[in-house]
Amino acid sequence: DGGITQSPKYLFRKEGQNVTLSCEQNLNHDAMYWYRQDPGQGLRLIYYSQIVNDFQKGDIAEGYSVSREKKESFPLTVTSAQKNPTAFYLCASSPGRNTEAFFGQGTRLTVV
Amino acid sequence: QQQVKQSPQSLIVQKGGISIINCAYENTAFDYFPWYQQFPGKGPALLIAIRPDVSEKKEGRFTISFNKSAKQFSLHIMDSQPGDSATYFCAAVAGGGADGLTFGKGTHLIIQP
Repeated sequence: DGGITQSPKYLFRKEGQNVTLSCEQNLNHDAMYWYRQDPGQGLRLIYYSQIVNDFQKGDIAEGYSVSREKKESFPLTVTSAQKNPTAFYLCASSPGRNTEAFFGQGTRLTVV
Repeated sequence: QQQVKQSPQSLIVQKGGISIINCAYENTAFDYFPWYQQFPGKGPALLIAIRPDVSEKKEGRFTISFNKSAKQFSLHIMDSQPGDSATYFCAAVAGGGADGLTFGKGTHLIIQP
């Protein structure tokens, strides 16, 4: 099956900890994205990458970091600097610049 | 990212009725407009999309209407069914933009049986 796999589905983090969310795609897409979803806020862009070993900050990058060492993988680290990390995180990929994106099933992160 | 304004925030429609969700944009560089459907706890799924060279696109019960001069586009769901109850997002992307889709804030649609 082709698609985007996010793991884990649920994640709990203690305050002060860093956690890493996994995103893997086998669609052979060049572009990958991370979005954060909060109730009533829509989808807000955290980071994006158009090519391996290159990535750019989105609208709400503070407190997050990413890497893109392989075309199929784009992990997101939520650092302790992120003051309000509880949210639903969505990874997406796209075959081109002006076309649709395809989403994973999301990771729900909760700070405990 | 440039803004895409979506309305209404929530919508209740009777089964069999027409659900209408509207979006407006400002950036004239946008040239692709997809709609996504999202069920609770799931990722958004592409529903239907349109480019500005056409004024309407229909796929089954779902239709996008596009008004380039007004910079507005809308989703119509005909014969709405309880299974259509979900959150719907409009989005837009510019050909030269590397940062992907700009999303509206979503419409929570409830179809009452």
